[in-house]
Amino acid sequence: KAGVTQTPRYLIKTRGQQVTLSCSPISGHRSVSWYQQTPGQGLQFLFEYFSETQRNKGNFPGRFSGRQFSNSRSEMNVSTLELGDSALYLCASSLGTGRRTEAFFGQGTRLTVV
Amino acid sequence: AQKITQTQPGMFVQEKEAVTLDCTYDTSDPSYGLFWYKQPSSGEMIFLIYQGSYDQQNATEGRYSLNFQKARKSANLVISASQLGDSAMYFCAMREGQTGANSKLTFGKGITLSVRP
Repeated sequence: KAGVTQTPRYLIKTRGQQVTLSCSPISGHRSVSWYQQTPGQGLQFLFEYFSETQRNKGNFPGRFSGRQFSNSRSEMNVSTLELGDSALYLCASSLGTGRRTEAFFGQGTRLTVV
Repeated sequence: AQKITQTQPGMFVQEKEAVTLDCTYDTSDPSYGLFWYKQPSSGEMIFLIYQGSYDQQNATEGRYSLNFQKARKSANLVISASQLGDSAMYFCAMREGQTGANSKLTFGKGITLSVRP
């Protein structure tokens, strides 16, 4: 079974630009969550999508948005990039239902804003 | 208040010895799940072990076991027979609420484990 795939693995963008990150979950998983990881703030929850609907949202500005497609693939978009957006962005997929729903993570996209 | 607390500084352990990584949590929800993840330098978060709040027994997965003390709100990870490949960051995480309605994980700050040959 293929794992969670995130593309691209690395990105360098300039302040003010926008960026789109992609995540393909494990086949059959309907929930996709996004996390931002920085040395200072650690791992912070961005949002979760389940069956194409945003089910949870973290405390991030509106510049951060996402969506999920009918095949469960998800994209995350960050507009008007700031230096502080430099981080490792991790995507996690899970079944999204049932008592034990461990999340399986991709390798992440490392975004550098210059 | 922090929901997940991991306060140990960088941990060192000799190869083949056991090591305990501490985690305390805070929640008022009676239904929750606790997870441990390993993050090597490559960045990927690797799921290690899960403990549900209603589970009667401590979870075990191969060399990993979880010392779950519900009254003390602690969920310490025990790694037995450490291997050089265990060197990584270890994160404790919690999911609160009725399972299936919420997949959000709250993570601790992590602990760096170094295994010495």
